[in-house]
Amino acid sequence: NAGVTQTPKFQVLKTGQSMTLQCAQDMNHEYMSWYRQDPGMGLRLIHYSVGAGITDQGEVPNGYNVSRSTTEDFPLRLLSAAPSQTSVYFCASSYSTGWSGNTIYFGEGSWLTVV
Amino acid sequence: SQQGEEDPQALSIQEGENATMNCSYKTSINNLQWYRQNSGRGLVHLILIRSNEREKHSGRLRVTLDTSKKSSSLLITASRAADTASYFCATDAGSGGSNYKLTFGKGTLLTVNP
Repeated sequence: NAGVTQTPKFQVLKTGQSMTLQCAQDMNHEYMSWYRQDPGMGLRLIHYSVGAGITDQGEVPNGYNVSRSTTEDFPLRLLSAAPSQTSVYFCASSYSTGWSGNTIYFGEGSWLTVV
Repeated sequence: SQQGEEDPQALSIQEGENATMNCSYKTSINNLQWYRQNSGRGLVHLILIRSNEREKHSGRLRVTLDTSKKSSSLLITASRAADTASYFCATDAGSGGSNYKLTFGKGTLLTVNP
């Protein structure tokens, strides 16, 4: 059971390049989300998905696209990388919860540097 | 915007001592969760407390929630060097419980000295 798998672990991009951060989970979770973590800022939600074919924006969606064609995968696309997108990116997944809340599982992170 | 704010930002203690971290938030919540992050790693879920609960225990962890003060505390008893990490609180304030849409604080960096 791999949990939440993110690739790549490290990436350096030039300004203006595009790339996709991959995220896959093998727990059949309905919910998946992407966060970015910047020094002194905690984690901020970029995009999330409540199921295959359904995505929505979080707090900081500009410059990023997502899609959810399968339950397992939730890739994050950087359309035209900017130095402000230098950050650590975390993918997360969980079961649907109703009101009670469930454990969220995080990937190990993807370190992205835009030069 | 940051919903949760941890206090203190950094805490340094000796092994065997207790560590207390606090979290304040701004709006009504469904639940509040605490996470640990070791340097260079992902976040690990520690404990979840629901809005209708006041206290919860898990091993050496004790979490309290005061919804009237919009605050929570995480107590780690008999700390160990392996507890050295950043600790984050996260609130779920979505309608119907939107577990996928947590709002995180900036974290408390805990250092436990051997």
